[in-house]
Amino acid sequence: DAKTTQPNSMESNEEEPVHLPCNHSTISGTDYIHWYRQLPSQGPEYVIHGLTSNVNNRMASLAIAEDRKSSTLILHRATLRDAAVYYCILSVRNAGNMLTFGGGTRLMVKP
Amino acid sequence: ETGVTQTPRHLVMGMTNKKSLKCEQHLGHNAMYWYKQSAKKPLELMFVYNFKEQTENNSVPSRFSPECPNSSHLFLHLHTLQPEDSALYLCASSQDWRENEKLFFGSGTQLSVL
Repeated sequence: DAKTTQPNSMESNEEEPVHLPCNHSTISGTDYIHWYRQLPSQGPEYVIHGLTSNVNNRMASLAIAEDRKSSTLILHRATLRDAAVYYCILSVRNAGNMLTFGGGTRLMVKP
Repeated sequence: ETGVTQTPRHLVMGMTNKKSLKCEQHLGHNAMYWYKQSAKKPLELMFVYNFKEQTENNSVPSRFSPECPNSSHLFLHLHTLQPEDSALYLCASSQDWRENEKLFFGSGTQLSVL
């Protein structure tokens, strides 16, 4: 299975943009890139997912490199509520909806 | 509120006890999942049910016994657990088992085995 690599932790200032990187150099052509986040004392929540093109929704933007070996989750203006563990996950075609969570990146937001 | 409710939120049990975790979803989904999150370890998928049929069992010990009586309810029956089974147990649901369906998680049951 293709794996992802993320920094263990990152820090950001409130009201500033945050770029969370993810490397997935062994990604196959049909693997989707998913992002979830887990706020303290809660279960993970879906953030965004994409295949090749950049994606935007009300929560974040997903920028996918042209060779698809890396991606970046962009929070346009970090708030204190965005402090969470962010997981970058690849889905595998024809494997059902099995998402394998890694260690993620713990984002700390400073006021 | 994600539409997935887990009870109880906290549970303390002895190694000889029998207890059950409950999960209920009000989203009209057909797939339900149990995940385990131990301290300082990634989430581990335990079981998957799609249309009430178990589709995945990730080599989970038999002391964990899932039950899915209908598409809205999922149980995890626990018996003769070990202290290393202490963890956060998370339930999730998705529209169905197809890949790339969004997962909706509950807040979890924090289990302590003494």
